[in-house]
Amino acid sequence: DIQMTQSPSTLSASVGDRVTITCRATQSIGKWLAWYQQKPGKAPQILMYEASTLVEGVPSRFSGSGSGTEFTLTITSLQPDDFATYYCQQYKGFSTFGQGTKLEI
Amino acid sequence: QVQLQQWGAGLLKPSETLSLTCAVYGGTFNRYYWSWIRQTPGKGLEWIGETHHSGTTKTNPSLTRRVTISVDTSKKQFSLKLRSVTAADTAVYYCASGGGYETLDYWGQGTLVTVSS
Repeated sequence: DIQMTQSPSTLSASVGDRVTITCRATQSIGKWLAWYQQKPGKAPQILMYEASTLVEGVPSRFSGSGSGTEFTLTITSLQPDDFATYYCQQYKGFSTFGQGTKLEI
Repeated sequence: QVQLQQWGAGLLKPSETLSLTCAVYGGTFNRYYWSWIRQTPGKGLEWIGETHHSGTTKTNPSLTRRVTISVDTSKKQFSLKLRSVTAADTAVYYCASGGGYETLDYWGQGTLVTVSS
């Protein structure tokens, strides 16, 4: 299996901040990485695929970068609705996920 | 817009079989692969397996021996069976569009399945 490691596990921030979440793969996955946002009691929602392509409707304050084994999700100018848990998913091999990053106030 | 609605038993005893079904509304059923994913506080998100309108399936090697995923194209539904459950199978189970080698674009609402004697 390709293992995915996210850091940090928890991130404290304030409205208006810029934050970055990192996701690392145990082997190269090219650009086959997606990011999801999950709020309590809800299913994950896809934000981005192929490492940096935003899903339609996702605000442009979200951006992604990386390839190979290291990837980042950046949120600029945090909004109240952004406080949630974020997961990366690789789909180069059968899907595996990072353990999540909880973004809290 | 694709919507998924899932249902199934939420409380099982050890050794029983977990059974969940997911119905697809909107979109083109034959266009997608369809997956099951589960989520636990300890192990996080885990892809269980996928099916396709053709009936082909793939499963996570760690669960293959206990998992059956099936599809009913006439009803636009797909189902999960997980045999011989234990407490370790307690999780929120989700159905989703997309396969194990794809993004998971649309998700069901989730079903909490608890395994307890």
